[in-house]
Amino acid sequence: NAGVTQTPKFQVLKTGQSMTLQCAQDMNHEYMSWYRQDPGMGLRLIHYSVGAGITDQGEVPNGYNVSRSTTEDFPLRLLSAAPSQTSVYFCASRNTGTGGSAFFGQGTRLTVV
Amino acid sequence: SQQGEEDPQALSIQEGENATMNCSYKTSINNLQWYRQNSGRGLVHLILIRSNEREKHSGRLRVTLDTSKKSSSLLITASRAADTASYFCATDASNFGNEKLTFGTGTRLTIIP
Repeated sequence: NAGVTQTPKFQVLKTGQSMTLQCAQDMNHEYMSWYRQDPGMGLRLIHYSVGAGITDQGEVPNGYNVSRSTTEDFPLRLLSAAPSQTSVYFCASRNTGTGGSAFFGQGTRLTVV
Repeated sequence: SQQGEEDPQALSIQEGENATMNCSYKTSINNLQWYRQNSGRGLVHLILIRSNEREKHSGRLRVTLDTSKKSSSLLITASRAADTASYFCATDASNFGNEKLTFGTGTRLTIIP
C-alpha cells in the first residue's frame, strides 16, 4: 500500500516554463488537495477536490490549475512559472464525510529561477 | 487567511521535559487534528479530537479542545530527541459544508539531549 505518491521530488524551472506535479493515491479517498509550504507561513491550500470531476479553489489558487479525472490522480499544473511559486508542494488525501485524517505525500521542492 | 494559529512559533526544551503547544482557530469545526512534520518530509497525522470531546490521549500525547474559546493544546510528555519536529494543528469543518482541512502556521519544537 503506497499511500500518496508525489512526483517529482525536486524540480528547477525557468520563469515562464510550465510543468505538472503529479499526485496519486491508492486508498480510494474522495478528497484530495494541494498545499504549498513557505517558511513561516505554514501550509496554504491551493486547490482541492471532493471527488472525480469536482475541483475548487483554496486560499492561494492563482497561477495553478487542477483537474480530477479519476479518484486516484490529482495533478497540479503551473502554466507559466514565476519565482513567487518557488516553494515546497504537498499533496494530501483523506476520506470525506467522516472528517478523517489526511495522508500526505513526501513533497515536491520546486525552484523557479 | 489561515484558520489556525499555533503558539509558540518555536519551543526548545530539555529531553525528558513536557512540551505544550497551543492552537487557536476562528470558525466552528467538526474536529481538530494535530500533525507532525520532520525536516524535509511530509506531514504525519498524530491525533484527532472531535468537537464534542474535551480531552483525548494517545501514548505520550494529550490533546484538549475548548470550543467556547476556539482553542486546543497539544501536550507531549517525557519528551525525546526524536520528538524534534514541527507540529501543526488543522481544522475540519466538514459538518458545516466545508470539506477543506485548514492548517495553522506551526510550532517548531527542538528537544535538547
